[in-house]
Amino acid sequence: SYELTQPPSVSVSPGQTARITCSGDALPKEYGYWYQQKPGQAPVLLIYKDRERPSGIPERFSGSSSGTTVTLTISGVQAEDEADYYCQSADITRTYPVVFGGGTKLTVL
Amino acid sequence: QLQLQESGPGLVKPSETLSLTCTVSGGSISSSTYYWGWIRQPPGKGLEWIGIIYYTGNTNYNPSLKSRVTISVDTSKNQFSLNLTSVTAADTAVYYCARAGLELGSYYFDYWGQGSLVTVSS
Repeated sequence: SYELTQPPSVSVSPGQTARITCSGDALPKEYGYWYQQKPGQAPVLLIYKDRERPSGIPERFSGSSSGTTVTLTISGVQAEDEADYYCQSADITRTYPVVFGGGTKLTVL
Repeated sequence: QLQLQESGPGLVKPSETLSLTCTVSGGSISSSTYYWGWIRQPPGKGLEWIGIIYYTGNTNYNPSLKSRVTISVDTSKNQFSLNLTSVTAADTAVYYCARAGLELGSYYFDYWGQGSLVTVSS
């Protein structure tokens, strides 16, 4: 099966910039998506089609793509951004049209 | 505002069938633009995609679960449902229903239900 690889954890101080990466062989040809999940809550779509932001998502959340890696960038991190972040995409054969990364725990120091 | 709500038993015995329904409000499940999906999350673990259905009844399942999964849709009730057979403790999870879009070869989920915890235990 296809895998998307994320770092298990990222730590950042308030006001700084956090970057969470997601790597997968199909990412040059398939879009990446990002979700935020806070404890006890459902995931929320943060970024779609690599870099688009749904309405209502703060501008400090941005996405980018380069080769086999997509990156979620959180500028001016706030305490409320502490959460789990999941990337999602598909495998190139589309046998798995939905694949989630393992998730990254963002800790705001 | 679109809302999705999962409903069903919170406890299922091993070897039996897990059944959940997702009721959609604030929008039509018969939209030609969107799909409807199920995702689960075992306690303390990551997200796992289960499957997707279109309002016409066309489905797409996770190959690792395909032999045990059936997703169906009832457009008259604006609902879609999940059946997972022969459950074991490994199927204990929070089950989410969600609305899905499709871009290139990937679905993505823009509206989620609150989730329903299903425990498999005798």
